[in-house]
Amino acid sequence: QSALTQPRSVSGSPGQSVTISCTGTSSDVGGYNYVSWYQQNPGKAPKLMIYDVTKRPSGVPDRFSGSKSGNTASLTISGLQAEDEADYYCCSYAGSYIHYVFGTGTKVTVL
Amino acid sequence: QVQLVQSGAEVKKPGASVKVSCRASGYTFTTYYMHWVRQAPGQGLEWMGIINPSGGSTSYAQNFQGRITMTRDTSTSTFYMELSSLRSDDTAVYYCTRQAEVGTYYTVNWGQGTLVTVSS
Repeated sequence: QSALTQPRSVSGSPGQSVTISCTGTSSDVGGYNYVSWYQQNPGKAPKLMIYDVTKRPSGVPDRFSGSKSGNTASLTISGLQAEDEADYYCCSYAGSYIHYVFGTGTKVTVL
Repeated sequence: QVQLVQSGAEVKKPGASVKVSCRASGYTFTTYYMHWVRQAPGQGLEWMGIINPSGGSTSYAQNFQGRITMTRDTSTSTFYMELSSLRSDDTAVYYCTRQAEVGTYYTVNWGQGTLVTVSS
């Protein structure tokens, strides 16, 4: 099972919006509404930011939003802040045989 | 509150096995599935497998089939992940991470991670 494809890096100035794509197949991203997004800071465990494509856990700022179209899911960070600089990973359920697959990861840089 | 406390760092030689533990507290142990995820240095996250603590059934990622065993001890609320025939590219931080709620397909709580170094 191949990892989901994410851009290696994205960047933006404070206050701008950035979008991270996560491309899979009809067997994972396109087949289920079970895409989640995790933020990871250096040396730390990942933190859930989005689940079930569009839902945001309590405590996650509403500038984080998720969406999906076909086999590609996206995470958008609106009103970028310095504290958003981190690595971001998507993860998709992929059925009862493969189960789960992570994305390749994207480094977000705040300029 | 939910806590997942993992065992300490390990150094192993190629060909050896390693067993990482994850002690859970703050919730009913048998209710929520536990995932294991690893991250090689400077690399991305890799899903390894999942265990149902109620009956002990497991499912493993294809990349680890034949080398991985996930178990649990309900008497101590502890999960275990054992990886055998270690290679240098198994050097990574290994995480346990708990299913968020019953029937969900994401995790919220993570252990602190266990660094496993494979070196001759």
